[in-house]
Amino acid sequence: EAQVTQNPRYLITVTGKKLTVTCSQNMNHEYMSWYRQDPGLGLRQIYYSMNVEVTDKGDVPEGYKVSRKEKRNFPLILESPSPNQTSLYFCASSLNGFLNTEAFFGQGTRLTVV
Amino acid sequence: AQSVTQLDSHVSVSEGTPVLLRCNYSSSYSPSLFWYVQHPNKGLQLLLKYTSAATLVKGINGFEAEFKKSETSFHLTKPSAHMSDAAEYFCVVSGSNAGNMLTFGGGTRLMVKP
Repeated sequence: EAQVTQNPRYLITVTGKKLTVTCSQNMNHEYMSWYRQDPGLGLRQIYYSMNVEVTDKGDVPEGYKVSRKEKRNFPLILESPSPNQTSLYFCASSLNGFLNTEAFFGQGTRLTVV
Repeated sequence: AQSVTQLDSHVSVSEGTPVLLRCNYSSSYSPSLFWYVQHPNKGLQLLLKYTSAATLVKGINGFEAEFKKSETSFHLTKPSAHMSDAAEYFCVVSGSNAGNMLTFGGGTRLMVKP
């Protein structure tokens, strides 16, 4: 089954404790992206990647890192989480960009930073 | 730059009555437009997309949307609401040079009363 898989689904952590949210897709997509969803703001793009070893900032990259060492994986790293990063996070992938092509989304990771 | 405004944060309809979810966009480029639906505790699913072909776009589950360039609108409609339509709906535009940026509206929560 074609899918985007995120782990964990739920995470509660403390301020300053490094964490990684994993994202994996099995569709051989080139484009992958991370979003955060906050009430009333829709989804905002954090980082995206157009291919292996190619990443770039989205609208809200501060406090986040990403890497794309393999085509299928695109982990999101919070080196020193803060409470304002409490949010619902989605990973998405697309065959070759988002202009005309459907984006496939993972089921989300709800992160709480206390 | 591009932006999306969903004009209603909440819409409530009775089962069997029409649904109208309003979306206005701005984009410096010829945009692609999408509607995604998010059911509780689920990822986002594509309902329909406009990519400069027919201005009236039909999607899944009886939804359709009309692209009106003169009004910069892309409203989502359905003739008859079903209880299973209760969800959050996002209007999304993509139109950047590289097609790598999706811009989301703030979302409209649709409630369907029996």
